[in-house]
Amino acid sequence: GDSVTQMEGPVTLSEEAFLTINCTYTATGYPSLFWYVQYPGEGLQLLLKATKADDKGSNKGFEATYRKETTSFHLEKGSVQVSDSAVYFCALTPHTNAGKSTFGDGTTLTVKP
Amino acid sequence: EAGVAQSPRYKIIEKRQSVAFWCNPISGHATLYWYQQILGQGPKLLIQFQNNGVVDDSQLPKDRFSAERLKGVDSTLKIQPAKLEDSAVYLCASSYIAGVPDTQYFGPGTRLTVL
Repeated sequence: GDSVTQMEGPVTLSEEAFLTINCTYTATGYPSLFWYVQYPGEGLQLLLKATKADDKGSNKGFEATYRKETTSFHLEKGSVQVSDSAVYFCALTPHTNAGKSTFGDGTTLTVKP
Repeated sequence: EAGVAQSPRYKIIEKRQSVAFWCNPISGHATLYWYQQILGQGPKLLIQFQNNGVVDDSQLPKDRFSAERLKGVDSTLKIQPAKLEDSAVYLCASSYIAGVPDTQYFGPGTRLTVL
């Protein structure tokens, strides 16, 4: 079946540091890929997405590129802020199999001032 | 636009008791999802509805879990009887477009503790 593997956390960075959270996937065909974020005390919300190979999703300074060759969708941000402290989930949704989504286990990011 | 509503937010029950969760999706959203999120893990899909029909329930423990979506709008998820391992956050989500990968909008979740 489909699977998503995320970089294990927790990740602790200083403000303005560069962030990378790795995500690799296994799926039949070419799914759509998503990053969701869960801020403290809030529900999951979409951060960015990409629907086909080589697409780049971006939002709030975060970026991720859909790499078919390496089956990856790594999340990056050039300069993190304290307000970016949250749990980040990588997810895939196939274009077949009724669009059954698979999520990674999440990576907790803490940014210190 | 109102978000996905869920109730209750918290529930504590004894094992072997029954519990029900309610979800009201965003108006007009065709697809509704129920996920189970165990502490430290990502959400696991339990059941997915498209309008009022089930499109996937392969990971729903049908001997104890049931779900329905009447009239293609709100939905209930029931556990009967509950086990200790059912302690988790139950998330409801909805998406607008049916049949293709689409952004999912999540509710705040119901945190269930089974003692």
